[in-house]
Amino acid sequence: NAGVTQTPKFQVLKTGQSMTLQCAQDMNHEYMSWYRQDPGMGLRLIHYSVGAGITDQGEVPNGYNVSRSTTEDFPLRLLSAAPSQTSVYFCASMGGRAGYTFGSGTRLTVV
Amino acid sequence: AQTVTQSQPEMSVQEAETVTLSCTYDTSESDYYLFWYKQPPSRQMILVIRQEAYKQQNATENRFSVNFQKAAKSFSLKISDSQLGDAAMYFCAYRSARNTGNQFYFGTGTSLTVIP
Repeated sequence: NAGVTQTPKFQVLKTGQSMTLQCAQDMNHEYMSWYRQDPGMGLRLIHYSVGAGITDQGEVPNGYNVSRSTTEDFPLRLLSAAPSQTSVYFCASMGGRAGYTFGSGTRLTVV
Repeated sequence: AQTVTQSQPEMSVQEAETVTLSCTYDTSESDYYLFWYKQPPSRQMILVIRQEAYKQQNATENRFSVNFQKAAKSFSLKISDSQLGDAAMYFCAYRSARNTGNQFYFGTGTSLTVIP
């Protein structure tokens, strides 16, 4: 099925560890983004990309890194995990004037 | 930056009844999009309905409809004939219609409980 595939669904990290959240879409969308969802705060934009080779920071970029080497893939890297990065992460893509198509989310716990 | 406010953290409705979720937003732009997303316990974010600001007619999708008041910057969601499957967190979201304005601004959500 067409959509946004996000992996893993769950992850537990120790403080200081690094990891990459994978995101892939097969809808040929130019725009992709990463959000984090925290209780009482809605979804906040971490990084986004308007096309291959182009990325930019969102509202809460510190501690995260992204790259966009292809239209399909937009991985999110946690460089040195901190407890404050415990959250649910969503990847989303958008084509044209439609709304986002979201991945299924990753629940990340940093201990 | 634009702000989106959902002033009702929690709402409940009796099955088969109607409920309205409130959303207000702040923007200086005239052309934009507004959305309601549903997030059930599965965590998946599902687009419920979309409204384009230049359209005066309120959007409807089956049992879901909106009351879009542009001057008042209000965008409420009405769910008619509520069903148990409507129980979820609902998020209101704003997006500019400018080419570079692809960022969505989300409210903090309203948790809807449906009482059998």
